[in-house]
Amino acid sequence: KQEVTQIPAALSVPEGENLVLNCSFTDSAIYNLQWFRQDPGKGLTSLLLIQSSQREQTSGRLNASLDKSSGRSTLYIAASQPGDSATYLCAAGEYNFNKFYFGSGTKLNVKP
Amino acid sequence: DAGVIQSPRHEVTEMGQEVTLRCKPISGHDYLFWYRQTMMRGLELLIYFNNNVPIDDSGMPEDRFSAKMPNASFSTLKIQPSEPRDSAVYFCASRIAGPGHEQFFGPGTRLTVL
Repeated sequence: KQEVTQIPAALSVPEGENLVLNCSFTDSAIYNLQWFRQDPGKGLTSLLLIQSSQREQTSGRLNASLDKSSGRSTLYIAASQPGDSATYLCAAGEYNFNKFYFGSGTKLNVKP
Repeated sequence: DAGVIQSPRHEVTEMGQEVTLRCKPISGHDYLFWYRQTMMRGLELLIYFNNNVPIDDSGMPEDRFSAKMPNASFSTLKIQPSEPRDSAVYFCASRIAGPGHEQFFGPGTRLTVL
């Protein structure tokens, strides 16, 4: 079974700082990896998806990378803003079974 | 498209009562997933369907839980009888088959069992 870990559990940074969120997974034979944002009391919003054949994806100030050999994905947020404050979760898709395993998330607080 | 729709958004019930949660996936999506989120256990996959057929229900915690998908546009998750430890947020998600397609989540149903 795929194990997904996100460290740190919480992160507080001043506005304007560039930051990196980490996601580790145990089985390198992943289908894809998806990053989500969750605001308090809300559902999950998809940010980026990286297929197993890709190395990175970009959307605006967000860049996600995937390194299957090391079992890691990172989400880079440039020029952070208070509106980026939320919990960020990653999910690793399991090959051939379409099951997705979620990390426990990193709670980000961007201070004005 | 309106996205994944779930109802009710909030449900408060008493222990022993039957609870039915509903989900309408995004039109054209092949896969439908039911998840449960708690502070202690995070987000857990309960069951998923492909083309209305249940594929893996290994995450369903007990026989008290059941899920159906009678057609491509509707699914239910039923808990009978409900217990206080079932209190959680239940999410439905859907996606199109293939590694390049994202999973989209509904707003969730917050269930409280007293």
